[in-house]
Amino acid sequence: AQKITQTQPGMFVQEKEAVTLDCTYDTSDQSYGLFWYKQPSSGEMIFLIYQGSYDEQNATEGRYSLNFQKARKSANLVISASQLGDSAMYFCAMREGRGFKTIFGAGTRLFVKA
Amino acid sequence: EPEVTQTPSHQVTQMGQEVILRCVPISNHLYFYWYRQILGQKVEFLVSFYNNEISEKSEIFDDQFSVERPDGSNFTLKIRSTKLEDSAMYFCASSERVGALHFGNGTRLTVT
Repeated sequence: AQKITQTQPGMFVQEKEAVTLDCTYDTSDQSYGLFWYKQPSSGEMIFLIYQGSYDEQNATEGRYSLNFQKARKSANLVISASQLGDSAMYFCAMREGRGFKTIFGAGTRLFVKA
Repeated sequence: EPEVTQTPSHQVTQMGQEVILRCVPISNHLYFYWYRQILGQKVEFLVSFYNNEISEKSEIFDDQFSVERPDGSNFTLKIRSTKLEDSAMYFCASSERVGALHFGNGTRLTVT
């Protein structure tokens, strides 16, 4: 069974608009961490934002925010005021319990239009 | 800002040859990882390393793979006898604690 599901293989957004990238996860652990990473066309993996399962508030980092809905097991990434440089692949990821392994979703490719 | 560095950026090898991929994690990090990404596919966990031993490994990480921290700075991934299907981008990562991963820029391995 998929642990991390990203249902949008590709998304388009107009520059300066906000966009939401969907992520749902599956775990039976009470303690887990959720992450979003950005992979530009150059290939590197860039950490964007983290949400702990016990965090009561949604995480925010600059233009990135994580819409954490624990009961629905979703951790959507919201990018506000999109920029051309936001065009990239975005991966949702999860680490369960006290494990060392981070599991990645299949990714969503975001295209920002001028 | 400190970063994870990987060498080489691109490695071409013949099937059956041994390759060693090298990484220098961020100096105060304690946890080290290798991931791989076959072109256009998801990022897959290979192995984690903590306190000078493997802490967790995936089914992909079979006897053909090994990791080593030969000194205080380098962290290496060895593939003993490469196969065509080992062609991928290999990412090294490190973290201060079990949490957000800081990735290197990757080594693209091409097995011919």
